Amino acid sequence: DAGVTQSPTHLIKTRGQQVTLRCSPKSGHDTVSWYQQALGQGPQFIFQYYEEEERQRGNFPDRFSGHQFPNYSSELNVNALLLGDSALYLCASSLDLGPPHNEQFFGPGTRLTVL
Amino acid sequence: AQKVTQAQTEISVVEKEDVTLDCVYETRDTTYYLFWYKQPPSGELVFLIRRNSFDEQNEISGRYSWNFQKSTSSFNFTITASQVVDSAVYFCALIGSNYKLTFGKGTLLTVNP
Repeated sequence: DAGVTQSPTHLIKTRGQQVTLRCSPKSGHDTVSWYQQALGQGPQFIFQYYEEEERQRGNFPDRFSGHQFPNYSSELNVNALLLGDSALYLCASSLDLGPPHNEQFFGPGTRLTVL
Repeated sequence: AQKVTQAQTEISVVEKEDVTLDCVYETRDTTYYLFWYKQPPSGELVFLIRRNSFDEQNEISGRYSWNFQKSTSSFNFTITASQVVDSAVYFCALIGSNYKLTFGKGTLLTVNP
């Protein structure tokens, strides 16, 4: 049973570019959350997708957007990249049981470097 | 609003010492879960424990133990007889009535041989 997978593992972009990160949830899960972890900080919630819609959003600008597909996989898009967007991006999947019972399983992350 | 505070930024111990990592949380929810994760240099978050707010029993798993006290809003983590492989960043986290996990800033534990 595959766990949460993310691609790519590493990515290098320059300021102003756009990036797309991908996440496949654990088998049987229907919900995907994205977190940003800057160096030396704890992960920060970006948003959560359920039934192909953004259900909840953290304190991130509109440059951060996402999508969830019918097979529950998800993409995170970041436009107009800034140096401060350099971080580890973590995807977590869960089965919707209603909060707070949704247990989130994390993927290995995508490390984004913006030059 | 939810908040998780890990006051210890860095801890350094010598192998075989016991070490306790502190976690204090704030939430208005009556039902919530608390977590501890380990993050080695590779970056992947390794799940260690999930504790329901209604279960204040302490838990022991091998060299790891957790002390949950609602009266002081604390969920501390103790490693007994630490080993070099325990070196990592440890995060405490909370999830309540919304859908997001709120993490502390983490504690970097270094275990020296």
